[in-house]
Amino acid sequence: DIQMTQSPSSLSASVGDRVTITCRASQGISNYLAWFQQKPGQAPKSLIYAASSLQSGVPSKFSGSGSGTDFTLTISSLQPEDFATYYCQQYYNYPRTFGPGTKVDIK
Amino acid sequence: QVQLVESGGGVVQPGRSLRLSCAASGFTFSTYAMHWARQAPGKGLEWVAVISYDGSTKYYADSVKGRFTISRDNSKSTLYLQMISLRAEDAAVYYCASAQSTLLNFDYWGLGTLVTVSS
Repeated sequence: DIQMTQSPSSLSASVGDRVTITCRASQGISNYLAWFQQKPGQAPKSLIYAASSLQSGVPSKFSGSGSGTDFTLTISSLQPEDFATYYCQQYYNYPRTFGPGTKVDIK
Repeated sequence: QVQLVESGGGVVQPGRSLRLSCAASGFTFSTYAMHWARQAPGKGLEWVAVISYDGSTKYYADSVKGRFTISRDNSKSTLYLQMISLRAEDAAVYYCASAQSTLLNFDYWGLGTLVTVSS
């Protein structure tokens, strides 16, 4: 199985900050990488697929990059509604595997 | 708009069975692959199973293989997860999610249904 890791596991940031989260796969997955946002008590929401493509309706302040084993999710200017936990997931093969999540909270 | 509504969760004793449903609307269900994923309380996300648009292809996580069965009824736009021999570690919120094919990423997620396994 492909293992996914994320760093940091949590971070504190202020409104307006630029935030970057890193995701690493235990083997190359090309660009078969998705990012999800989950707010407390809510279902996950799809943000990015194919490492850098925005899901329909997702604001452009979110961006993704990377290929192979190393990926990043960037939020260009953090807003109150962005405080959440972010997960990466590989869909290169089965079983699909998620990273452990990065919790972004208010400084 | 796309809606995925899970149901069937509840409290069940260890070793017993439960069937979850996911009612889909707002898209052509019969052309989409569908997944189940779960999240134990306070924990991260875990993928559980996938079924192709026509039911011909299914994959399972090792943790549920042989105990869970994914199925679908395209005439009812409904996805199912039959769970038997439930264990304490199966307790979680179960989400269904759509994907344009078994090879592609999740598009939309349902709101989830809570399964509690307790004697």
